Amino acid sequence: NAGVMQNPRHLVRRRGQEARLRCSPMKGHSHVYWYRQLPEEGLKFMVYLQKENIIDESGMPKERFSAEFPKEGPSILRIQQVVRGDSAAYFCASSPQSEQYFGPGTRLTVT
Amino acid sequence: GESVGLHLPTLSVQEGDNSIINCAYSNSASDYFIWYKQESGKGPQFIIDIRSNMDKRQGQRVTVLLNKTVKHLSLQIAATQPGDSAVYFCAEITQGGSEKLVFGKGTKLTVNP
Repeated sequence: NAGVMQNPRHLVRRRGQEARLRCSPMKGHSHVYWYRQLPEEGLKFMVYLQKENIIDESGMPKERFSAEFPKEGPSILRIQQVVRGDSAAYFCASSPQSEQYFGPGTRLTVT
Repeated sequence: GESVGLHLPTLSVQEGDNSIINCAYSNSASDYFIWYKQESGKGPQFIIDIRSNMDKRQGQRVTVLLNKTVKHLSLQIAATQPGDSAVYFCAEITQGGSEKLVFGKGTKLTVNP
């Protein structure tokens, strides 16, 4: 059973471009969480999704950030018009119910 | 506000010694706690968890202690090995909500051979 997959592992974007981060949960998991980690800090919750539904987006910035988890395909975290402050590692976790299994993360660098 | 903090940002131990990593949490409503290990360039890896109706739980070489009176959590690693070198995070969940994890800043454990 493959673990949580994230791609790309590294992403470089210029200011103003869009970033799309993908997360494929573990087989059979219908819950996906996205977290952001700044250097030397812990992970901060962004959004929690189930198939086709956003359950909790209390950690998402109000502008430029969006997330989806369609019926088919991976979950997508989308950042429009990126700024330098968006540079971070973005992790997704999937869960069958409670325990969350993390992917390897996408490291976004905004130049 | 929500916060889970750690007393020490770094910890250095000799191989074979026991390690103790501490965590203070602030949300008295939290009822589920997890320790994660994060190696450089990787995602957090589950180590051990404990529910608020327990005060101790043991795994393989690891023990988690929970003191709800002072809102303190600790992770004990027995016979620490070089492979244990990583950043360790405690995280809490308040059941009944979205079950999002609230992480502390982490303690970097270095094991010297």
